[in-house]
Amino acid sequence: DTEVTQTPKHLVMGMTNKKSLKCEQHMGHRAMYWYKQKAKKPPELMFVYSYEKLSINESVPSRFSPECPNSSLLNLHLHALQPEDSALYLCASSIQGYSGANVLTFGAGSRLTVL
Amino acid sequence: AQKITQTQPGMFVQEKEAVTLDCTYDTSDQSYGLFWYKQPSSGEMIFLIYQGSYDEQNATEGRYSLNFQKARKSANLVISASQLGDSAMYFCAMREWADTDKLIFGTGTRLQVFP
Repeated sequence: DTEVTQTPKHLVMGMTNKKSLKCEQHMGHRAMYWYKQKAKKPPELMFVYSYEKLSINESVPSRFSPECPNSSLLNLHLHALQPEDSALYLCASSIQGYSGANVLTFGAGSRLTVL
Repeated sequence: AQKITQTQPGMFVQEKEAVTLDCTYDTSDQSYGLFWYKQPSSGEMIFLIYQGSYDEQNATEGRYSLNFQKARKSANLVISASQLGDSAMYFCAMREWADTDKLIFGTGTRLQVFP
């Protein structure tokens, strides 16, 4: 069983809907990540939270709004999405530290379809 | 800017044979970490093996080993005794220690193991 839990596994939404993706980990990790993965492409980094503060935003459109309410939870709020935003959204977490060796543990992903 | 190149879009290997998946990288930093992840069709990214830029020994984890050639900037994954369950996408990734929040992925190699 994965130690990073993402819900929902599948989400279908219209372009005017507001929905959220959720991610939870209980490993004591203080860095949490959102990646977007289109079909047959590598994951692309979207956001990074470090100690519950947003540390990286990779120029993601404002229709994606991340939130880190506490050290175990990470949300991605979705509003007014476009069909091209359909993708697999992966959450990950890692120990925070000044080392390149920190391993990211990924969740199983939320597969989003925008109609 | 860091860059990861995986030149093999697809590889085939017979069960119980060994296979090498290629990865080259480009960075001007001296301190960095290299990772390999496996992504089955279910979508979850599974960590396989890590190599630090200062590690003198090639990393090994069970059937996985990393052929690290620092001067050539290559970090090839070797899977020994392939199993049918090894069929998946494999991604090489790198993180520079100066930018520890960013793990960047290569384009991936699809491995298919046949009986």
